[in-house]
Amino acid sequence: GAGVSQSPSNKVTEKGKDVELRCDPISGHTALYWYRQSLGQGLEFLIYFQGNSAPDKSGLPSDRFSAERTGGSVSTLTIQRTQQEDSAVYLCASSFSSGTSRETQYFGPGTRLLVL
Amino acid sequence: AQSVAQPEDQVNVAEGNPLTVKCTYSVSGNPYLFWYVQYPNRGLQFLLKYITGDNLVKGSYGFEAEFNKSQTSFHLKKPSALVSDSALYFCAVSPRGAGNNRKLIWGLGTSLAVNP
Repeated sequence: GAGVSQSPSNKVTEKGKDVELRCDPISGHTALYWYRQSLGQGLEFLIYFQGNSAPDKSGLPSDRFSAERTGGSVSTLTIQRTQQEDSAVYLCASSFSSGTSRETQYFGPGTRLLVL
Repeated sequence: AQSVAQPEDQVNVAEGNPLTVKCTYSVSGNPYLFWYVQYPNRGLQFLLKYITGDNLVKGSYGFEAEFNKSQTSFHLKKPSALVSDSALYFCAVSPRGAGNNRKLIWGLGTSLAVNP
């Protein structure tokens, strides 16, 4: 079946512009995650959605970052007034959620964002 | 603070030789343990996980990992390396308990280079 898809695959923008990154999770997965991976760094958790529950936004680095998930499926990560330090690969993952932490997260190919 | 350590930034091994990528963790309780692989310009792919039971876990592409509770380690191994195994490997740990699905704690990754 189809995996997690993300678009665009690459995005180049100018400092100060807003960008939207899209994630389409695996069908039937109720949990969705956004991560940021900077060059030479591990994965930085950004935000987590689980069904209709309030999202866990504890990883968002500033109020310029926001995300929504419509209809429990597709998610959009928005970065307003982009800065050069926002340049990174943004990864989306989804999983089943059995209410425990044992579920495997399946990742999309990522969006490579470059802020000039 | 809870953490995951991958003590080697890079591992070099000759094709056909056994390989080990190390992971140790400092997480309370008995966490779930994961290994992911990231090929160049691609998202993370799940390799294997330890939930419970046999300490030796077998996963994709001939990889296996051994859970050692006393040493709090979960080293990734393969008996005979292939050039195509060259990639970035991430260890991740998830504390047990409901509601903790978002709390994957990631290592910084180990770059594996398999030389022909």
